[in-house]
Amino acid sequence: EDKVVQSPLSLVVHEGDTVTLNCSYEVTNFRSLLWYKQEKKAPTFLFMLTSSGIEKKSGRLSSILDKKELFSILNITATQTGDSAVYLCAVEARGSGNTPLVFGKGTRLSVIA
Amino acid sequence: DTGVSQDPRHKITKRGQNVTFRCDPISEHNRLYWYRQTLGQGPEFLTYFQNEAQLEKSRLLSDRFSAERPKGSFSTLEIQRTEQGDSAMYLCASSLARASSYNEQFFGPGTRLTVL
Repeated sequence: EDKVVQSPLSLVVHEGDTVTLNCSYEVTNFRSLLWYKQEKKAPTFLFMLTSSGIEKKSGRLSSILDKKELFSILNITATQTGDSAVYLCAVEARGSGNTPLVFGKGTRLSVIA
Repeated sequence: DTGVSQDPRHKITKRGQNVTFRCDPISEHNRLYWYRQTLGQGPEFLTYFQNEAQLEKSRLLSDRFSAERPKGSFSTLEIQRTEQGDSAMYLCASSLARASSYNEQFFGPGTRLTVL
């Protein structure tokens, strides 16, 4: 059965800290890995990763995929209180594209001032 | 607003009642997905459509659940004879499926169902 595991499940940091969120996966036919941010509403898309070793970056957020070791990390530098959210990792596991996503449980990040 | 929309945003019902939720995807998106999310969990896949065709249903989708996308645009998810275990956030997402391309799924705000 396809599985996505995120760690840690929750994290509390102070503003200005740098955090690294982890996502490992076991799927039968990997196609892509996606990161979403979820506040008290729908998940909003952050990154899609398909190739190993290529960092995706958006402002203070960055992510990279290792297809050999089957994991991805999401880095947030200089955290702000607005970064407080649940960060979801999801994998597209069917190989043919645009198929249902398999999600991890998420990492709840709390940034305190 | 050109994003995915869902209606209603909140629904409180008594056990045994039927409920229906609606999802309007991004207009040019041909794929539409339903997920369910309970507290402390990531979204879990329920079913998805390519245009009006329902391509797959998850084992989570019991006989009490039915989904339609009659004209390939909006979709409805109906739950008959609701149970307390159906209480969850029901999320709809859409994407534009094209061959040989990667296309992210965009989520709606969700419908939060509470079954008393």
